Amino acid sequence: DGGITQSPKYLFRKEGQNVTLSCEQNLNHDAMYWYRQDPGQGLRLIYYSQIVNDFQKGDIAEGYSVSREKKESFPLTVTSAQKNPTAFYLCASSLQESWGFGSGTRLTVV
Amino acid sequence: AQTVTQSQPEMSVQEAETVTLSCTYDTSESDYYLFWYKQPPSRQMILVIRQEAYKQQNATENRFSVNFQKAAKSFSLKISDSQLGDAAMYFCAYRSLKGGSEKLVFGKGTKLTVNP
Repeated sequence: DGGITQSPKYLFRKEGQNVTLSCEQNLNHDAMYWYRQDPGQGLRLIYYSQIVNDFQKGDIAEGYSVSREKKESFPLTVTSAQKNPTAFYLCASSLQESWGFGSGTRLTVV
Repeated sequence: AQTVTQSQPEMSVQEAETVTLSCTYDTSESDYYLFWYKQPPSRQMILVIRQEAYKQQNATENRFSVNFQKAAKSFSLKISDSQLGDAAMYFCAYRSLKGGSEKLVFGKGTKLTVNP
């Protein structure tokens, strides 16, 4: 079955450490996205990529980095520069009007 | 930049009753898509309904229907015959059709509680 896989489901990070969240899709979608979800804030766009080897900053890109070396993969790195990284992170992909979402990664800083 | 506003952080409804969730948006574009997504406690995003702005007819999917008022930039969701399984966060979202801007812009969500 086609879909979007995010891993891990839960992630714990010590302050000052970088951590990478994985997102893989086999829907053959061109575009991929990372959203951050906080209570009462809805989903806010971090980064997005419309084609391989190209990506753009979203509304809250500071403290995050991404890469798009393959069409299927769009990993997100949460760096130590992100001051408040504890949140739920959702990956998505799209092709024209068709959208898919992963099941998310809950990141907690300990 | 486009913005989406959901003015009701929480709503509740009795089972079998009808509830309407509000959504307004701001855009200068004439062609776009609007969506309602449901996010149950599992956090999986589920598409509820989609509306193309060029269509005057309101979209309907079984018990779910929208009231799309393009001039007023309003896109409310009506849930009829509410069921316990409808309890979830509901997000309104906007998608531009302009090249390079196809990302989804979400509202802050409305938490719907269904009382038995």
